Amino acid sequence: DAGITQSPRHKVTETGTPVTLRCHQTENHRYMYWYRQDPGHGLRLIHYSYGVKDTDKGEVSDGYSVSRSKTEDFLLTLESATSSQTSVYFCAVGRGGLSTDTQYFGPGTRLTVL
Amino acid sequence: TQLLEQSPQFLSIQEGENLTVYCNSSSVFSSLQWYRQEPGEGPVLLVTVVTGGEVKKLKRLTFQFGDARKDSSLHITAAQPGDTGLYLCAGARSGNTPLVFGKGTRLSVIA
Repeated sequence: DAGITQSPRHKVTETGTPVTLRCHQTENHRYMYWYRQDPGHGLRLIHYSYGVKDTDKGEVSDGYSVSRSKTEDFLLTLESATSSQTSVYFCAVGRGGLSTDTQYFGPGTRLTVL
Repeated sequence: TQLLEQSPQFLSIQEGENLTVYCNSSSVFSSLQWYRQEPGEGPVLLVTVVTGGEVKKLKRLTFQFGDARKDSSLHITAAQPGDTGLYLCAGARSGNTPLVFGKGTRLSVIA
């Protein structure tokens, strides 16, 4: 257990509204990731962070932004939510290098955009 | 184009049967990982393989990394209902690139 919490766990919002999802960790992991999981697509990386204020884009970053002002918190923002962003969002954390590092996943946030 | 293809997509078997699921690619990976995900939860790492031809065992689960580091398999012996879940493979093309995940194999073991 890497002490990962995600909030909110469920959210229903309307198209065009801004949404922020929060990932909080208690184990001081350097790397943090945001994924989305959709039927037929599996897990896809949205953005990741390798330190405070250090972030990079993943495979499906369009329409999303992230911020990491503290080691323990990684925020994912949908500036103007669209129905295509309805998904389950997972945060993950890891200690070291990207390729062989164990990633510990949070419980997920189910987002519905109407 | 999916970088990692997993097969089968769905598998339903009786308790006690053996099974193998596959993770294939046309690309070479520096390492591959297998995760298991249960409904309503995040994935949990089962194993990481890094050397071509490597075989790792975790109780009744046997993981193999292909000699050319393009594919991997997961074999479960005498499956139990507790093995039910979504099995995901994930690979890294090089040491400092993010993981890419396959779409997963959804396994159901019926008692």
